[in-house]
Amino acid sequence: NAGVTQTPKFQVLKTGQSMTLQCAQDMNHNSMYWYRQDPGMGLRLIYYSASEGTTDKGEVPNGYNVSRLNKREFSLRLESAAPSQTSVYFCASSEPRSGGASETQYFGPGTRLLVL
Amino acid sequence: LAKTTQPISMDSYEGQEVNITCSHNNIATNDYITWYQQFPSQGPRFIIQGYKTKVTNEVASLFIPADRKSSTLSLPRVSLSDTAVYYCLVGANRDDKIIFGKGTRLHILP
Repeated sequence: NAGVTQTPKFQVLKTGQSMTLQCAQDMNHNSMYWYRQDPGMGLRLIYYSASEGTTDKGEVPNGYNVSRLNKREFSLRLESAAPSQTSVYFCASSEPRSGGASETQYFGPGTRLLVL
Repeated sequence: LAKTTQPISMDSYEGQEVNITCSHNNIATNDYITWYQQFPSQGPRFIIQGYKTKVTNEVASLFIPADRKSSTLSLPRVSLSDTAVYYCLVGANRDDKIIFGKGTRLHILP
């Protein structure tokens, strides 16, 4: 049971290049998320997917697209990378808790992206 | 979503009990309070969640007063390995978008 995995771990891009960050979870969770974390900052939600086939915007969706390929996989695409997108990107998945409590999120190890 | 306010940073010493307080004045009736811990170069991980009074697990305790407008995460006898950022989140059902703030950067000194 690997939990949440992300590839690649590190990536350097030039301005204008495109790339896709991959995320997969093996916990059979319905919900998946993409966050970015800038140095010294908290996490900001980019997009999330409540279930297979659905996606919704978070706080900072501009410049990104996502695909919920199946229940396991949720990818994040940068079509034309900009230096402002230099950040650490975390993928997460969540499971419901009993009694209406807020879901517990499980995070991947992160992808460190540098855009020159 | 209820907004949370917590200290930006705290220092403590090994062996001490550390209490981190989070304010959430506009918490809703259905909201739960959840704390996550994030070590450098890692993603956050769930520590504890509660609705009212006190919750304890093997890692921490969570104290929630009757008005639920604040909560306190208590870490007993901290060690250097507890140096991390701690996030307080407030939310309810699965339709809530969980919002992480900047958290509290806890630095444990020898």
